[in-house]
Amino acid sequence: DSGVTQTPKHLITATGQRVTLRCSPRSGDLSVYWYQQSLDQGLQFLIQYYNGEERAKGNILERFSAQQFPDLHSELNLSSLELGDSALYFCASSAGGQETQYFGPGTRLLVL
Amino acid sequence: EDQVTQSPEALRLQEGESSSLNCSYTVSGLRGLFWYRQDPGKGPEFLFTLYSAGEEKEKERLKATLTKKESFLHITAPKPEDSATYLCAVQPSGGSYIPTFGRGTSLIVHP
Repeated sequence: DSGVTQTPKHLITATGQRVTLRCSPRSGDLSVYWYQQSLDQGLQFLIQYYNGEERAKGNILERFSAQQFPDLHSELNLSSLELGDSALYFCASSAGGQETQYFGPGTRLLVL
Repeated sequence: EDQVTQSPEALRLQEGESSSLNCSYTVSGLRGLFWYRQDPGKGPEFLFTLYSAGEEKEKERLKATLTKKESFLHITAPKPEDSATYLCAVQPSGGSYIPTFGRGTSLIVHP
């Protein structure tokens, strides 16, 4: 158990819908990272937040957005969902912005 | 652009048959190289961080080594429970410090 929690574990929805994924980092960690993992793409970095502020952005679609709240939990919002958004979404956390990342168990999203 | 290439893509071993997984990388400056283990449908589990060429780290049947161009994950006398996908990632020493991940090596150990 890494100490990073993610909810929900599974999510099934339809195209065009919007969903919210939630992540709680390890106790004391200030950085949260979001990744997408699909069979054909591997683990792709989406976005990083550090102590409530956006720190780095990767290949995140405009339909996706995220935020980190004062209690340091984070939410990833996915809107106008497409079939191709079906994937595993992982959250990771680290103490600061450079340390080892520890991953949560992931949310499996299926868009029908 | 940082790049990580892992080989082989898949590896099948008999229990007790030692082998090595390779991670070749290009990065403008290396802050750290990470190894993770990932079971199907689960999140990557941290194994090791290596920071400089020549460094080695061990954990049970696993040993990770690092050179200036590649890293190896040696698996000694593997057991079926070592079956998993092993991911390598390189962290640059500047910029955003965001690691680039390889596609992984899928290891299956047969009893």
